[in-house]
Amino acid sequence: DGGITQSPKYLFRKEGQNVTLSCEQNLNHDAMYWYRQDPGQGLRLIYYSQIVNDFQKGDIAEGYSVSREKKESFPLTVTSAQKNPTAFYLCASSIYGGNGYTFGSGTRLTVV
Amino acid sequence: DAKTTQPNSMESNEEEPVHLPCNHSTISGTDYIHWYRQLPSQGPEYVIHGLTSNVNNRMASLAIAEDRKSSTLILHRATLRDAAVYYCILRASNNAGNMLTFGGGTRLMVKP
Repeated sequence: DGGITQSPKYLFRKEGQNVTLSCEQNLNHDAMYWYRQDPGQGLRLIYYSQIVNDFQKGDIAEGYSVSREKKESFPLTVTSAQKNPTAFYLCASSIYGGNGYTFGSGTRLTVV
Repeated sequence: DAKTTQPNSMESNEEEPVHLPCNHSTISGTDYIHWYRQLPSQGPEYVIHGLTSNVNNRMASLAIAEDRKSSTLILHRATLRDAAVYYCILRASNNAGNMLTFGGGTRLMVKP
């Protein structure tokens, strides 16, 4: 079955360390997105990519970096510059210009 | 994209219909109305979307006011599995990046 996979489901990181969250889709979707969700809040857009080798900053890109070397993959790196990285991170994909997003099941990142 | 307003929370009894309202008084003529829902600790899932006419699918119905300044998501028979946060989102048809902006949503509680 086609879908979007995020790994790991839970991640613990020490302060000052970079960490990379994985997002893979086999839906042949052109566009991919990263959102951050804090407890009791809605989703905020971090980065998005419409095609391979191209990506754009969202509303809260500071302290994050991404790459899009393959259509299927859109990894997110949370750098040490992100001051408050503890959150639930959600990856999504869609057909370019299409109406529906498919979301992954999320990665819960905790800084210890 | 224009802004939406939803109640923070609603309660429903199991097996009864639920009407989730959404106000979008600044909607433009080309904005699509999307609904997503998010179960606890999961990524959001697409529910339904529409432009002007009412829409039905296997999950829900979407009733759109004639002036399009409000809409209502209708769950015909709520189950305990429908307890989730429901997001009403507007997406401009000229939003080439296809980004969705999530607000706080409505937390639906279903009582047995």
